[in-house]
Amino acid sequence: GDSVTQMEGPVTLSEEAFLTINCTYTATGYPSLFWYVQYPGEGLQLLLKATKADDKGSNKGFEATYRKETTSFHLEKGSVQVSDSAVYFCALTSPGNTGFQKLVFGTGTRLLVSP
Amino acid sequence: DTAVSQTPKYLVTQMGNDKSIKCEQNLGHDTMYWYKQDSKKFLKIMFSYNNKELIINETVPNRFSPKSPDKAHLNLHINSLELGDSAVYFCASSHPTGTDSYNEQFFGPGTRLTVL
Repeated sequence: GDSVTQMEGPVTLSEEAFLTINCTYTATGYPSLFWYVQYPGEGLQLLLKATKADDKGSNKGFEATYRKETTSFHLEKGSVQVSDSAVYFCALTSPGNTGFQKLVFGTGTRLLVSP
Repeated sequence: DTAVSQTPKYLVTQMGNDKSIKCEQNLGHDTMYWYKQDSKKFLKIMFSYNNKELIINETVPNRFSPKSPDKAHLNLHINSLELGDSAVYFCASSHPTGTDSYNEQFFGPGTRLTVL
């Protein structure tokens, strides 16, 4: 079935460092791709999305480009802040066993940013 | 003005008990979901309802039974709780999803279930 693979964490950075969190996917169709963020003790929030190849999603300084040729959707930020410390989930849409679209998540990558 | 709310936030119970988790959304969405997040943070969909009708039912034990009294509520009842049911359960909602369409999901804060 469709799946998402993320780099294992935690990723530990100093404030203002450059961030990359790798995400690759396997899908039989043409999925939409997402990054969700989960802050401590909270539910997930959509960070950004891309619905077709070569689309770039961006939000709050984070960016990710839908690369069909490498089946990747890596998350990047030029200068991280302490407040970016959270768990980041890569996800894709996939048809469920009834045909309706569902989200398939990666295992999550914890980001720790120190002052 | 909470968008997706869940109760309780924490639930500690003994093996073999029956428990329910409630979810309510005030976003006017037609579609609601239940997810399970295990101790390693792995998140997987369990069920989805669209306007009170079950549309997604992943491989989940029969001990788990979702109930949707109206489109703003989706409750999760778990019978005969087992140790492996310990997890964080998230509710979410969205505008209707289809076989070739997808809308952003909004998540609740989660319910941490601990089975002793």
